[in-house]
Formats: sequence, structure tokens, C-alpha cells
Amino acid sequence: DADVTQTPRNRITKTGKRIMLECSQTKGHDRMYWYRQDPGLGLQLIYYSFDVKDINKGEISDGYSVSRQAQAKFSLSLESAIPNQTALYFCATSDHGEGTDTQYFGPGTRLTVL
Amino acid sequence: AQSVTQPDIHITVSEGASLELRCNYSYGATPYLFWYVQSPGQGLQLLLKYFSGDTLVQGIKGFEAEFKRSQSSFNLRKPSVHWSDAAEYFCAVGAPGNKLVFGAGTILRVKS
Repeated sequence: DADVTQTPRNRITKTGKRIMLECSQTKGHDRMYWYRQDPGLGLQLIYYSFDVKDINKGEISDGYSVSRQAQAKFSLSLESAIPNQTALYFCATSDHGEGTDTQYFGPGTRLTVL
Repeated sequence: AQSVTQPDIHITVSEGASLELRCNYSYGATPYLFWYVQSPGQGLQLLLKYFSGDTLVQGIKGFEAEFKRSQSSFNLRKPSVHWSDAAEYFCAVGAPGNKLVFGAGTILRVKS
């Protein structure tokens, strides 16, 4: 089984709808991250969490919110989806380590907002 | 602020040929550097990382990268490319607060 799983893998929704993307991990890592990927822009950090009680904004948090329900679960919500939030979304995890943590990624969720 | 530049958006190489993907970074201190690969429809897989020590780093799938401080570069290399190496490759630098800053990616096409 995959160490980092994301559900759903694909989602099509309409403008104004609320959407939740879920991430679960079995790696036992404390740190979890949400990124979005747009063609030609690489990955941009949306939110990150270093433990259950810690939530931090990333580069592009506007229009998004997160919930860290447990060490293993980190959800991303779009309260009112808009078309420019159409993207590929990745969850990642990392553990305490030397210097910058090595991050491990889930398979991604492709979200389309019509 | 930290930044990563991958100058080549697309690269095409013949199967069996050597490969070099370029990565330049901007960071004030000793960088932590990573290369990830994303195959179509897949998540990102770590190829290799540099934290300290030997500047030539070996990774998975026959890849290696060399850290050159004087050139602020961390180029990825492979001596002989296989068709299965076709993917998108991302270079990343560690930023304060244990975050990663990614380059825009290089799409590798392999022709037979």
C-alpha cells in the first residue's frame, strides 16, 4: 500500500461549490504539506503543518483552508471553488531530519473547476 | 529569497544517449538540494538529495547530480537514457522553516 494517499484522485466541480481533498499517510511523519502544480510553474506551497496543533500558510493560501484531524490526516478545502483553482494538488509528508526535511509525495488529485 | 531556475522547459534525447538537466539556485547559505521525478499521472518521487559532504551525489535509477557552489548549480546527469526515463524533472532547494522551493520543471522526451 502507498505511504501517502490522496482522495479523490480526480474531481470535476462547478464554480462556487465547496470541495475537500483528503490526504492520509502511514509513514508516521509529523509534518504534512499541500501544494498545487500548474504547468510551467512547478509546485507552490499552499499550507503546511508541523504537528496536529500547528498550521501555517504557504505562498498561495488565499481561497484555501486546511484541517489537521490527526497526525496521519491533513485535508485541504476550497470553500467556494473558482476556475483558476483548476490544478493538480499534491500532499506531502516529512519527518524531522538533517537540515531541510526530505518530503514524500502522494499521487496527486486533479481538480477541475468549471 | 530562495529561488530555483531550470532553464530548459523541454529536452529531447535519443535512447542510449547521455543526459544533463540543468538547475541553478539562489540561496544565501549552504543549500539543501533535491531532484524529484514525476512520471505521467504519478506523484513526485525523490531521485537524490544533497545536504553536505561529497559534491557528487548518487541517486536511484542510475542518476547522479553534482553540486557546484561556485556556479550555484546542481545539475542532474545520467550516462545512458532509457525510454522509461521520459518524465518531468524538478529541482528544489530547501528554504528556512523546512520548506522546499521548486523550479518550474524540465520535461524530458526520449526518442527511439
